[in-house]
Amino acid sequence: GDSVTQMEGPVTLSEEAFLTINCTYTATGYPSLFWYVQYPGEGLQLLLKATKADDKGSNKGFEATYRKETTSFHLEKGSVQVSDSAVYFCALSDLGATNKLIFGTGTLLAVQP
Amino acid sequence: DADVTQTPRNRITKTGKRIMLECSQTKGHDRMYWYRQDPGLGLRLIYYSFDVKDINKGEISDGYSVSRQAQAKFSLSLESAIPNQTALYFCATSPLGNTGELFFGEGSRLTVL
Repeated sequence: GDSVTQMEGPVTLSEEAFLTINCTYTATGYPSLFWYVQYPGEGLQLLLKATKADDKGSNKGFEATYRKETTSFHLEKGSVQVSDSAVYFCALSDLGATNKLIFGTGTLLAVQP
Repeated sequence: DADVTQTPRNRITKTGKRIMLECSQTKGHDRMYWYRQDPGLGLRLIYYSFDVKDINKGEISDGYSVSRQAQAKFSLSLESAIPNQTALYFCATSPLGNTGELFFGEGSRLTVL
């Protein structure tokens, strides 16, 4: 079945460092891809998405490009802040009738001042 | 006030007890979901509902039941709780259409002793 694999955390960075969190997927069709973020004590919220190959999703300085050839959707940010400390989840959906999402295991990011 | 509200936020109970987690939403969405979050496993879908007459099992429905009392209310029950049901539970909603965007509550942490 469809699945998502994320790099294990925690990822610890200093403020203003460059961030990459790797995500690869396995899917039989042509899924849409998402990054969700979970701040401490909160529920998940959508960070960005891409619905077809070569699309780039972006929000709050984060970017991810849908790479069909490598089945990847890596999350990047050029300069992280302490406020970016959170758990990041990669997810996919076939956008079928159920609107169900399949989530990766999550990557904890800790940004130090 | 939160658009998706879960109660209780924290609960400690004993093996064999019946537990109900409640979810209510003010977003007017038809679709509601219950997910379970475990460290290292990400989020897994327990049940989902598209309206009050439509209830569907997710990937890990064994040991759980749900009730959709109204468009705005979706409850998750553990008839006889066991320790491996200790987890963080999230309710989520989505509008009609297949955007892949879910709106999450803040979670209910359940501990079964």
